[in-house]
Amino acid sequence: QKEVEQDPGPLSVPEGAIVSLNCTYSNSAFQYFMWYRQYSRKGPELLMYTYSSGNKEDGRFTAQVDKSSKYISLFIRDSQPSDSATYLCAPTRGGSNYKLTFGKGTLLTVNP
Amino acid sequence: GAVVSQHPSWVICKSGTSVKIECRSLDFQATTMFWYRQFPKQSLMLMATSNEGSKATYEQGVEKDKFLINHASLTLSTLTVTSAHPEDSSFYICSATFDTQYFGPGTRLTVL
Repeated sequence: QKEVEQDPGPLSVPEGAIVSLNCTYSNSAFQYFMWYRQYSRKGPELLMYTYSSGNKEDGRFTAQVDKSSKYISLFIRDSQPSDSATYLCAPTRGGSNYKLTFGKGTLLTVNP
Repeated sequence: GAVVSQHPSWVICKSGTSVKIECRSLDFQATTMFWYRQFPKQSLMLMATSNEGSKATYEQGVEKDKFLINHASLTLSTLTVTSAHPEDSSFYICSATFDTQYFGPGTRLTVL
């Protein structure tokens, strides 16, 4: 079993839709849960991260972690064409000096 | 803030030659930098962890003699691909740690 599983999609939605992106993981030592956005041929950009279980909201984005089921979610409200990118979940055991374990990434297209 | 640059952004070389890629943290000091490789439509795969002033730690399956990493200062790490071959063609991305990992824009290497 891979440490991090993420449905690669692709996922195509109309503008304004609510998008749900999900990952599962197997390593119970993961404590920090990152979400990155990567545009084609660019480096990943940190969207947000959460520590342990719970929700965190930042504008149109909400990250959710359920450690009991080892399930990570990212919700995007009022999706925009500019949100079209690959979204990568990346849990880690510790702080910034710990290596990230990336999911495969989900390719999202938001159609105008 | 927290900007990471990479140079060059794109390089083409002949098989058998060596290529050096630089990763710089522009506005912060990073004790740890990471090097990743990404093949088309694949996720980021960690190659090595680089700490300033010490030897890099390579992930399993990554040839340390082929991918030479030097972390000479708190703002600069270099990756040298020695005796490059076509199968080394990939997108190489570095990250530098501050409060979290910040990624560079990536370097596309094409080996002919």
